[in-house]
Amino acid sequence: ETGVTQTPRHLVMGMTNKKSLKCEQHLGHNAMYWYKQSAKKPLELMFVYNFKEQTENNSVPSRFSPECPNSSHLFLHLHTLQPEDSALYLCASSPTTAIASGSFNEQYFGPGTRLTVT
Amino acid sequence: AQSVTQLDSQVPVFEEAPVELRCNYSSSVSVYLFWYVQYPNQGLQLLLKYLSGSTLVKGINGFEAEFNKSQTSFHLRKPSVHISDTAEYFCAVRTGNQFYFGTGTSLTVIP
Repeated sequence: ETGVTQTPRHLVMGMTNKKSLKCEQHLGHNAMYWYKQSAKKPLELMFVYNFKEQTENNSVPSRFSPECPNSSHLFLHLHTLQPEDSALYLCASSPTTAIASGSFNEQYFGPGTRLTVT
Repeated sequence: AQSVTQLDSQVPVFEEAPVELRCNYSSSVSVYLFWYVQYPNQGLQLLLKYLSGSTLVKGINGFEAEFNKSQTSFHLRKPSVHISDTAEYFCAVRTGNQFYFGTGTSLTVIP
């Protein structure tokens, strides 16, 4: 596997279920991100991890719980979701979050998990 | 907070014709600008980026964009499109550690 992988690619869950999304990057990066992509809306940055530490949480409801056990893996734990949480969830990674002199840590995206909450 | 506006939600264009996808952002203070492309069932792929220096930036697949600070714009252009350019295009702005994306422009190339 190369790049950024996400599993599952599709997920249907009821509002009382608990499920997890998994992201793995094979690029040796130290920063990882979760985004939510809803139809006709801008991509929303949810969480940022840099060297396994959470550095950003953009007012995401507590029914979304991220976990970053190491720099290669990122999880998004889901529980008691609402139908409006149905979206494409994208994971991304970059070398770090810092803007280093003379370079920029661009993000590499995974293919996403299409989540449907019924 | 920063906002990114992509004025056209859908752009149909004939094959081999030129195309311009428009992007405007709200604040020009210390911003970095990007264009991403998303093909069906795939994640976002970086087309090009502007960090500093020359205002005309060249990217992959023959695309280029011009940074205009006075108009706070970063429009994407290609002189001759191919069928394979049919995809969703996203403009993005980074300020600090925050990334702000536009709502996307769906480019459809007509044979």
